[in-house]
Amino acid sequence: QLQLQESGSGLVKPSQTLSLTCAVSGGSISSNGYSWNWIRQPPGKALEWIAYIYHSGSTHYNPSLKSRVTISMDRSENHFSLKLSSVTAADTAVYYCAREVSGGGQFDFWGQGTLVTVSS
Amino acid sequence: QSALTQPASVSGSPGQSITISCTGTSSDVGGYNYVSWYQQHPGKAPKLIIYEVSNRPSGVSNRFSGSKSGNTASLTISGLQAEDEADYYCSSHTSSSTWVFGGGTQLTVL
Repeated sequence: QLQLQESGSGLVKPSQTLSLTCAVSGGSISSNGYSWNWIRQPPGKALEWIAYIYHSGSTHYNPSLKSRVTISMDRSENHFSLKLSSVTAADTAVYYCAREVSGGGQFDFWGQGTLVTVSS
Repeated sequence: QSALTQPASVSGSPGQSITISCTGTSSDVGGYNYVSWYQQHPGKAPKLIIYEVSNRPSGVSNRFSGSKSGNTASLTISGLQAEDEADYYCSSHTSSSTWVFGGGTQLTVL
């Protein structure tokens, strides 16, 4: 059974960079047919898709966040990562990593989510 | 990209049916059969319940069904049960090769 687990700093100061990693077990991020995604949810608000990276390494970003976001993968460690720069309080959210079945839009496996708070 | 439009809340009594709409544009919902629906209980990660407009993953109850007409997708839950009380989100592929979610709908089982 595929499992995803987010990790990273739970508290980030304004203007700094948020860094998160999603460790994948029970499957390989190098497998064809999937993309690996970051999705966030501010407290009490809706889900917001952030970015994805394909098994090939190609990436796509939410246009509203594109200038501040970088997604990357480490095939040897079987994990992928998110960096969000110049954070503000508006970036406070639960951040989820999720697998998508390429092209179909099925986010079929999710991590449990990790709360990141932006505060001084 | 703008969030897809969902009603903020819907409610129904046990045994009844409810429908949640998800309205987008021809650049997302209307342009692709890549609409998914997710159920989220408080404090939990979302769970996929419908993909590609009307397909159910293995293990999801057949009380959940999906459809689409033009720029609006719909999720119908029949035979409402107390355990269905949750937040529901739609998502769609976009013409920019990105994904967009709806604003979410809170379902209350009366």
